[in-house]
Amino acid sequence: QAVVTQEPSVTVSPGVTVTLTCASSTGAVTSGHYPYWFQQKPGQAPTTLIYDTSNKHSWTPARFSGSLLGGKAALTLSGAQPEDEAEYYCLLFYSGTSVFGTGTRVTVL
Amino acid sequence: QLQLQESGPGLVKPSETLSLTCTVSGGFMSRSDYYLLWIRQPPGEGLEWIGTTYYSGSTHYKPSLKSRVTISVDTSKNQLSLKLSSVTAADTAVYYCAGGGGGGLYWGQGTLVTVSS
Repeated sequence: QAVVTQEPSVTVSPGVTVTLTCASSTGAVTSGHYPYWFQQKPGQAPTTLIYDTSNKHSWTPARFSGSLLGGKAALTLSGAQPEDEAEYYCLLFYSGTSVFGTGTRVTVL
Repeated sequence: QLQLQESGPGLVKPSETLSLTCTVSGGFMSRSDYYLLWIRQPPGEGLEWIGTTYYSGSTHYKPSLKSRVTISVDTSKNQLSLKLSSVTAADTAVYYCAGGGGGGLYWGQGTLVTVSS
């Protein structure tokens, strides 16, 4: 089964832009993997921020955006806010299976 | 907006079968493009995909769990179910159901299942 890798942790200052990535052990991530991005705060269920690479839910703050970057899926946070401190997971769909990324802990400091 | 709610026993004995139900808000399962997932998260760990069932009737499972897992749908009750057999302490986790169709993915609030005698 594929392994999906994310940065373990990222620290960002308020107002600064940061990009999280999601890499597949099978090769380049494409739109055919339908990349999803989720945010999870302690003690809460995850919420979906991005689906199908770059589409946002109605509740997704405008400062979050999804893309493909250098063979990886990417989540860009443009102007981090203290409330963005959370764990972020990606999810990739493969033929017959799906795999979550290892998660990135984002600290806004 | 799609709403999902997990339910089931919070405590299961080792070697027994874990059974959970996810009730999906009315109307969603009449869509021709829905898909429903079970996901779990052991305490202090990351998210783990268990399986996905599609409107078409096809169901996919995580290979390492495939021999123990059954996911099924009862459209008349708007319910998704999960059965995981021969559980061990390693199956202790918060179990989530999630659903998508027409764009996006919606999550239930999750339910903690502890495997212990």
